[in-house]
Amino acid sequence: QQQVKQSPQSLIVQKGGIPIINCAYENTAFDYFPWYQQFPGKGPALLIAIRPDVSEKKEGRFTISFNKSAKQFSLHIMDSQPGDSATYFCAASKDYGGSQGNLIFGKGTKLSVKP
Amino acid sequence: EAGVVQSPRYKIIEKKQPVAFWCNPISGHNTLYWYRQNLGQGPELLIRYENEEAVDDSQLPKDRFSAERLKGVDSTLKIQPAELGDSAVYLCASGQRYEQYFGPGTRLTVT
Repeated sequence: QQQVKQSPQSLIVQKGGIPIINCAYENTAFDYFPWYQQFPGKGPALLIAIRPDVSEKKEGRFTISFNKSAKQFSLHIMDSQPGDSATYFCAASKDYGGSQGNLIFGKGTKLSVKP
Repeated sequence: EAGVVQSPRYKIIEKKQPVAFWCNPISGHNTLYWYRQNLGQGPELLIRYENEEAVDDSQLPKDRFSAERLKGVDSTLKIQPAELGDSAVYLCASGQRYEQYFGPGTRLTVT
């Protein structure tokens, strides 16, 4: 049973565009939602994360929008650059009394930013 | 600050052979994770350690996989014997509280 559904599977945008990647989760106990960026041959790198007590978080050109009632969250990349071309993963986990639980990952979105 | 270190980076073995992966987490991180990432998929947890204790190994195929984290620092993941379906990238991550930081992974090819 896939607990985090991610879409689209792939995305192509022009430089300067705003790609949007969406994720939906099922388990209402999840309380931590990170996004990871992965380049070929590298491990996933933590990009930005959000807790369900806020609806939006911005870090540089990356923004997470969170809709608790719909159980959905999304990543927006402002002024996208060719260097942003990578695979992006959303994930979710829940707290276990001070220790982070296991991350449940989506299947990933391969983003290509054309110059 | 040094990141998560993994070795080897690549490994090619024949089926039925054993293989081991090593991980050195970020200094001070008590929680260590091993994930497996199949091609075109997100990482999936194999085992999670809190210090020396394996607190979640429910997804670890215990008939052929084993792991240890002696002294609560470095960890080793072993597969014996390897099967063709074990070909994947094996990722180690460490963290404190919510944030997890991944190493570069070991790409295993079983022929």
